[in-house]
Amino acid sequence: DTGVSQNPRHKITKRGQNVTFRCDPISEHNRLYWYRQTLGQGPEFLTYFQNEAQLEKSRLLSDRFSAERPKGSFSTLEIQRTEQGDSAMYLCASSFGSENEKLFFGSGTQLSVL
Amino acid sequence: GEDVEQSLFLSVREGDSSVINCTYTDSSSTYLYWYKQEPGAGLQLLTYIFSNMDMKQDQRLTVLLNKKDKHLSLRIADTQTGDSAIYFCAESMRNNRLAFGKGNQVVVIP
Repeated sequence: DTGVSQNPRHKITKRGQNVTFRCDPISEHNRLYWYRQTLGQGPEFLTYFQNEAQLEKSRLLSDRFSAERPKGSFSTLEIQRTEQGDSAMYLCASSFGSENEKLFFGSGTQLSVL
Repeated sequence: GEDVEQSLFLSVREGDSSVINCTYTDSSSTYLYWYKQEPGAGLQLLTYIFSNMDMKQDQRLTVLLNKKDKHLSLRIADTQTGDSAIYFCAESMRNNRLAFGKGNQVVVIP
């Protein structure tokens, strides 16, 4: 296993279009997180799964955003009717769910909304 | 609160030590972390410290934690050009998610 994998690496879309990103976590990790990072800022928490259950959603996650982890393995993050303000790096992270929460991050998907 | 504060920019000569500072707000945080981000890449976990410790050393990295002042620092000894990156501190929050600072850009001058 080579770590957390995210696809695509880059996505350019027009305002109003829908986009979907995929994250494949480290195989034995039961926790999966989505973060968003804008230029000059640290990552901001969006949502969190334990196995297939989505246990927490940030207020940053508007109703245009939906995340799924149907079988407790890979996850998808969909943004509907994209806006220019959605332009950011979307980072996925996974962890083993131990007390020491070491998150391992993927390389991210850079979204540009024109 | 989830305000994690970091200074923004540090330049250091190759071979010197660099120190990056961070303050956090949640005294109940169990673990505090340092992550490194190189351009166009995700975050790489560098090191972490448990909240009941005040120091941790890991090869060239030394983490100091002042829990009373909610102050965390990372010292990099013998800084190398490959250390040029953005460094984020993060604190563990409820549901084991992390709250990150804005990051500190470190530029190593050869």
